[in-house]
Amino acid sequence: EAGVAQSPRYKIIEKRQSVAFWCNPISGHATLYWYQQILGQGPKLLIQFQNNGVVDDSQLPKDRFSAERLKGVDSTLKIQPAKLEDSAVYLCASSKGRDPEQFFGPGTRLTVL
Amino acid sequence: AQSVTQLDSQVPVFEEAPVELRCNYSSSVSVYLFWYVQYPNQGLQLLLKYLSGSTLVESINGFEAEFNKSQTSFHLRKPSVHISDTAEYFCAVSAPNDYKLSFGAGTTVTVRA
Repeated sequence: EAGVAQSPRYKIIEKRQSVAFWCNPISGHATLYWYQQILGQGPKLLIQFQNNGVVDDSQLPKDRFSAERLKGVDSTLKIQPAKLEDSAVYLCASSKGRDPEQFFGPGTRLTVL
Repeated sequence: AQSVTQLDSQVPVFEEAPVELRCNYSSSVSVYLFWYVQYPNQGLQLLLKYLSGSTLVESINGFEAEFNKSQTSFHLRKPSVHISDTAEYFCAVSAPNDYKLSFGAGTTVTVRA
């Protein structure tokens, strides 16, 4: 069974630029999560999708971050415009609909200069 | 809402020595508890989980954790570590009704020969 796929693995941008990350969850997993992991901290949930609907986006900075999960499969997280403090690893995870175990992708390391 | 405190940010240990990583949680409802491991430049991998039943849970590579409801703890132990156990370890908690993970800040374990 293929794991959670993410791309790109690394991205370096200037502040005020825009960036997008892509995630493809494990086949059949209805729930998809995006986490932000700042250096030296644990991951923090940004947004949770159930199929193609948003379950929780209370921690997503909506003035600059957006996410979508069209067709209930893969997902895109966008930052526009980026700030220095957005430098972090962005992790995507997925789970079966009613299963607490989440499977994580390798992450995208973003550096904002 | 749930929260997690990992009491040790760094734990140096010699090969074949025992190790304990401490985790305390706070929650007003019953919880699911997890330990994840993160190797350098990789995503998080589930090490073990407590959902219900026996309070002592074990992983396939020799780690174990015990859920202690009265002390709101879920400490991770291994009786004899290997060099390959060098990694960052995250304790996480979720509620049975929404499965969103709240992570601790992580404990870096460095195993020396």
